Amino acid sequence: AQTVTQSQPEMSVQEAETVTLSCTYDTSESDYYLFWYKQPPSRQMILVIRQEAYKQQNATENRFSVNFQKAAKSFSLKISDSQLGDAAMYFCAYRSITGNQFYFGTGTSLTVIP
Amino acid sequence: ETGVTQSPTHLIKTRGQQVTLRCSSQSGHNTVSWYQQALGQGPQFIFQYYREEENGRGNFPPRFSGLQFPNYSSELNVNALELDDSALYLCASSLDTQSSYNEQFFGPGTRLTVL
Repeated sequence: AQTVTQSQPEMSVQEAETVTLSCTYDTSESDYYLFWYKQPPSRQMILVIRQEAYKQQNATENRFSVNFQKAAKSFSLKISDSQLGDAAMYFCAYRSITGNQFYFGTGTSLTVIP
Repeated sequence: ETGVTQSPTHLIKTRGQQVTLRCSSQSGHNTVSWYQQALGQGPQFIFQYYREEENGRGNFPPRFSGLQFPNYSSELNVNALELDDSALYLCASSLDTQSSYNEQFFGPGTRLTVL
């Protein structure tokens, strides 16, 4: 089974600074999707960014970007110009192209310091 | 367009009881997935329903069962509740086809406490 590991239970960043959240995964598949989800204290999970494994170009969504290293099975999230509203739990997730099951990591709690 | 809604918000049950959780998918969505999120953990996939049929299941025992209705809303039923079933239960809906995947949208969750 696929596994997703987030080795940073907690991270903090000063407002307006940049922070990187780490994620590694284990799979024998060659094609798959990777995701970062944000879960604010109100609990509703929202998609931050998505990467298809067959795309070499790293995904970017405004202040959020990823560093996808397929050979290393690494998928980190960079948040630039951090804002107070970025404070949340961040989950890395994996889904195969053919399957429908998502595998989530244990999450990283991000605190933004004013 | 309404988002994904879940009911109830909170629920307290005792060990051995049965519970039904409900999820209304986003308008136009045909797929619903259910997840269990224990405290301090990431969501764990329970199962998925696509056009009223179970379409994949995670590592959960048969006492976790579900339904999807013609309007694509869904229920999660848990029988013989155990203390470890205490968790946040999330549902997520998406508009999927057999050959493509689209973004799933999560509901706010139901917090189940088993005493």
